[in-house]
Amino acid sequence: DGGITQSPKYLFRKEGQNVTLSCEQNLNHDAMYWYRQDPGQGLRLIYYSQIVNDFQKGDIAEGYSVSREKKESFPLTVTSAQKNPTAFYLCATSVGYASGANVLTFGAGSRLTVL
Amino acid sequence: AQSVSQHNHHVILSEAASLELGCNYSYGGTVNLFWYVQYPGQHLQLLLKYFSGDPLVKGIKGFEAEFIKSKFSFNLRKPSVQWSDTAEYFCAVNPIFQKLVFGTGTRLLVSP
Repeated sequence: DGGITQSPKYLFRKEGQNVTLSCEQNLNHDAMYWYRQDPGQGLRLIYYSQIVNDFQKGDIAEGYSVSREKKESFPLTVTSAQKNPTAFYLCATSVGYASGANVLTFGAGSRLTVL
Repeated sequence: AQSVSQHNHHVILSEAASLELGCNYSYGGTVNLFWYVQYPGQHLQLLLKYFSGDPLVKGIKGFEAEFIKSKFSFNLRKPSVQWSDTAEYFCAVNPIFQKLVFGTGTRLLVSP
């Protein structure tokens, strides 16, 4: 059953702690993305990766870090430097990274609440 | 920077009513256009897309959208909504050689 697995689904953390959200895909897609979804703000791009061992900052990368050591995996770390980390985080993939023609497949999301 | 505007944040309709959700963008060059939908408890998924050709595109579940280049718009339509269309709808615009930009979303509630 092909798809994107995000874990954990819900995560609670104290302020000042780093947290890592997992994203694993078995779609054999080259490109992977992390978005943040906040009510009334749509989806905002945090980081994306076109290929293994390469990634680029999106529009709101400050306070986040990623790695892409394997094609299947693109974990996101929310660091203590992120001022407002409570949000719903979505991982997505696309077959490749064509300029403008990327159809995204999304995971179920991870909801992070910082107490 | 380019932006994508979805003017209706919340829409409430009765079943069988017609639906039109607005989407306008500010980028003047060539763009690819998308509508994504997030049903309650489900993954965000592609509803339809426009890359080129016929500006009236059809998607899943009876939805369609019309690209009007002169108005920088890509409005989503459905002639008769069902209760199962209750969801959040996102317009997204991808200017060529630039990143995809999402609108803020429209929450649609269809009452039976």
